[in-house]
Amino acid sequence: DAGVIQSPRHEVTEMGQEVTLRCKPISGHDYLFWYRQTMMRGLELLIYFNNNVPIDDSGMPEDRFSAKMPNASFSTLKIQPSEPRDSAVYFCASSPGQVLHFGDGTRLSIL
Amino acid sequence: KQEVTQIPAALSVPEGENLVLNCSFTDSAIYNLQWFRQDPGKGLTSLLLIQSSQREQTSGRLNASLDKSSGRSTLYIAASQPGDSATYLCAVRDYSGNTPLVFGKGTRLSVIA
Repeated sequence: DAGVIQSPRHEVTEMGQEVTLRCKPISGHDYLFWYRQTMMRGLELLIYFNNNVPIDDSGMPEDRFSAKMPNASFSTLKIQPSEPRDSAVYFCASSPGQVLHFGDGTRLSIL
Repeated sequence: KQEVTQIPAALSVPEGENLVLNCSFTDSAIYNLQWFRQDPGKGLTSLLLIQSSQREQTSGRLNASLDKSSGRSTLYIAASQPGDSATYLCAVRDYSGNTPLVFGKGTRLSVIA
């Protein structure tokens, strides 16, 4: 299995632009998670899905952030408009139950 | 609200040493606890999972213990190697079992040859 695939690996964009991060989970995994990692705050859960349905989005910082999972093999995390404080590494993870499998992350820099 | 703390934030040891990484959590009503490894520029890789009813789990040179009542877990690494250099994160899942993991900030380990 190829594992969890995230794209792009790196994104540099200017403040105010729309950013879309993509994730392909491992086939057969029912759960999909979006995390954000910074030095100051560590790993923070943004949102998670079960069978493509959003279960808990209480970690989404504000309305500028949105996430979708249109089918079992694809999810997106969108930031519009982006701000410098959104700069972080964003991880997608999938799970069949208890053990999480992480992608290699998208390193996002907002100038 | 569950909080997970890992001390120290960074640790440097010479190759061959046995070492212990510490993790503490504020709410002892956990479902399980997991230890992860993160290499620079990479995602997290699960190392060991301990269910709340278990005291320890072992995988090769790694041994994780859990003392739920005191809110503590340790990860023991035997005969450390330079390839063990990475950040190690601890995460707990609360008692319902369906809640997401709460992560500590990790301990950055450097094993010097």
